[in-house]
Amino acid sequence: GIQVEQSPPDLILQEGANSTLRCNFSDSVNNLQWFHQNPWGQLINLFYIPSGTKQNGRLSATTVATERYSLLYISSSQTTDSGVYFCAAVTTSGTYKYIFGTGTRLKVLA
Amino acid sequence: DGGITQSPKYLFRKEGQNVTLSCEQNLNHDAMYWYRQDPGQGLRLIYYSQIVNDFQKGDIAEGYSVSREKKESFPLTVTSAQKNPTAFYLCASSIVVTNEQFFGPGTRLTVL
Repeated sequence: GIQVEQSPPDLILQEGANSTLRCNFSDSVNNLQWFHQNPWGQLINLFYIPSGTKQNGRLSATTVATERYSLLYISSSQTTDSGVYFCAAVTTSGTYKYIFGTGTRLKVLA
Repeated sequence: DGGITQSPKYLFRKEGQNVTLSCEQNLNHDAMYWYRQDPGQGLRLIYYSQIVNDFQKGDIAEGYSVSREKKESFPLTVTSAQKNPTAFYLCASSIVVTNEQFFGPGTRLTVL
C-alpha cells in the first residue's frame, strides 16, 4: 500500500520564524489533507489539497501530485502553532482509506 | 452548530469488559470512520462505513466491532479480544464525493 512520510519529525522554532513541512507519498493520490493536532488531541483541518496551491492566512500548502509530495508553509509562527502536523493521503486505487504520516511535532518558543 | 461529537471524553475500563464509544454527526455526511492513535504515533484506521448498514474493516479491525444503523451514528465497541485497547480513539466523517474528512474531539480509553 501507499507509504506516507513526513519530515522533519521534530521542529523547534522561535516565534516569528518561518518553516516548511514536507509530506512524501509513494503512489498516485486522489486526495491529500493537512491537519494540525492541538495539545488536547483535536485534529483540525488545515487544507484539502490533492493538487495545486492554497493559502489561509499565515499558512499555505502546495501539492505536486506528479512528483508525489506536498509542502506546508507556516509563516511568522506563533506559540499557538505548536502541536503535531499530519498529512494524510488517499490513493487512486479506488478505496476511501486515508493513510496518515507519522507527523511533524512543532514547538514554537516565545 | 454542525459537527461531530464523541462521548465520553475519557473512559476507564477493567480488563475483560466490552465498552462502546459513541460518535454522532449532524453534517449529513455519508461516510464515517474510526481511527486509533497511540502515543507519539499517527492514526490507524479501524473501520469505515460509506453508507448505512454497510461497513468495511480497516487496517487494525481485530478486537473491534461497529454498526451503522443510522446515517448520523457510528458506534465503536472495543471488545475483550482487543489485547491493547488503551489508546486515543478518533471518529471522522466525510462526503463520499470529495472524501474530505472532519474529525471529532476523540475519546481517551484507559484499561485498568
